[in-house]
Amino acid sequence: DIQMTQSPSSLSAFVGDRVTITCRASQSIGSYLNWYQQKPGKAPNLLIYDASSLQSGVPSRFSGSGSGTDFTLTLDSLHPEDFATYYCQQSYTIPITFGQGTRLEI
Amino acid sequence: VQLVESGGDLVQPGGSLRLSCAASGFTISNYWMSWVRQAPGKGLEWVANIEHHGSVKYYVDSVKGRFTISGDNAENSLYLQMNSLRAEDTAVYYCARGMTSVTTWGYWGQGTLVTVSS
Repeated sequence: DIQMTQSPSSLSAFVGDRVTITCRASQSIGSYLNWYQQKPGKAPNLLIYDASSLQSGVPSRFSGSGSGTDFTLTLDSLHPEDFATYYCQQSYTIPITFGQGTRLEI
Repeated sequence: VQLVESGGDLVQPGGSLRLSCAASGFTISNYWMSWVRQAPGKGLEWVANIEHHGSVKYYVDSVKGRFTISGDNAENSLYLQMNSLRAEDTAVYYCARGMTSVTTWGYWGQGTLVTVSS
């Protein structure tokens, strides 16, 4: 199975800050990497697919980069509604696996 | 596109439960569908996929032989039959539909809670 490791596990930041979350795969997954945002009691919401493509309707302050084994999610100029948990997910092969999540706190 | 799960409940260890996911706004026979779960306070875990014609199915190892994913095109619904339930199956179960690829999940239901406890 491909292990996905996110860092950090939690992160404190201020409104207006720029933050970066990293995700590392245990083997190369090309660009088959997605990012989701999840708020308490809600289903995950797709932000970035194929490592760097912005999902329709997602603000442009979200961006993704990387390929192979190392990926990043960057949030420019944090808004209050961005405080949530973020997950990376590889869609390269079965079993599909997620990172453990990064909790972004005010 | 809308996905609405139902069927979650409190069940004893060793028991069975059938989850449903009613789809609207699209036809499930045109898409692969998936179940993803989340244990309380934990991360996301993929559970199962079913190919749009229902002939190909994949499962995470921990549920193989116990869970069965299926679809009903007439009802436009997805199901998850869960047998021999264990405490570690306690989770919110989401159904999801892919977008650009089978497992790039752009559409999710609201989830249904399954609690396995005596």
